[in-house]
Amino acid sequence: ETGVTQSPTHLIKTRGQQVTLRCSSQSGHNTVSWYQQALGQGPQFIFQYYREEENGRGNFPPRFSGLQFPNYSSELNVNALELDDSALYLCASSLAGGQEAFFGQGTRLTVV
Amino acid sequence: QQQVKQSPQSLIVQKGGISIINCAYENTAFDYFPWYQQFPGKGPALLIAIRPDVSEKKEGRFTISFNKSAKQFSLHIMDSQPGDSATYFCAASKAQKLVFGQGTRLTINP
Repeated sequence: ETGVTQSPTHLIKTRGQQVTLRCSSQSGHNTVSWYQQALGQGPQFIFQYYREEENGRGNFPPRFSGLQFPNYSSELNVNALELDDSALYLCASSLAGGQEAFFGQGTRLTVV
Repeated sequence: QQQVKQSPQSLIVQKGGISIINCAYENTAFDYFPWYQQFPGKGPALLIAIRPDVSEKKEGRFTISFNKSAKQFSLHIMDSQPGDSATYFCAASKAQKLVFGQGTRLTINP
């Protein structure tokens, strides 16, 4: 176990709705990154947070947004859900300046 | 833009054999190359990683070989076991932002 916890584990939403996913980073890790993993694909980088600020973003539209809190936990928000947003959403935590990233078990989002 | 290419997509190896998975990258700015193991319904687990100033790293039955000039790296699993059956992802990182390959589904036959 990595110590990175995500909630909820599964979620079903309707197209057009909004969703919030949560992540608690490993103890002492101050950098959190979010990834989207479509079925049968490798994870794709959404964005990274460090010291409560966005620190890099992948090729995802603005309806994907996030937050990081003073305790380093993080949220991923997705507005106006589309069917193609159905995926496993992964959170990874790491130490600033470190290289190793440790993933949580993910949240499986299904958009119907 | 696909920056990390992984092959093969699937691999079947007999128990006790050697499993080999290959990756190639394009961006020479990458400075860290991890391999992750993922079981169904779970998040990726860090298996082993290497930096570009090292040509080989071994941890137990797992070895990474790295060829900086060719921009290629590979994972070797020695004495493969049924418990190694999983999907393996290579990745390349810059500033802790990972770019993943497409994954290799490894099956070890008993």
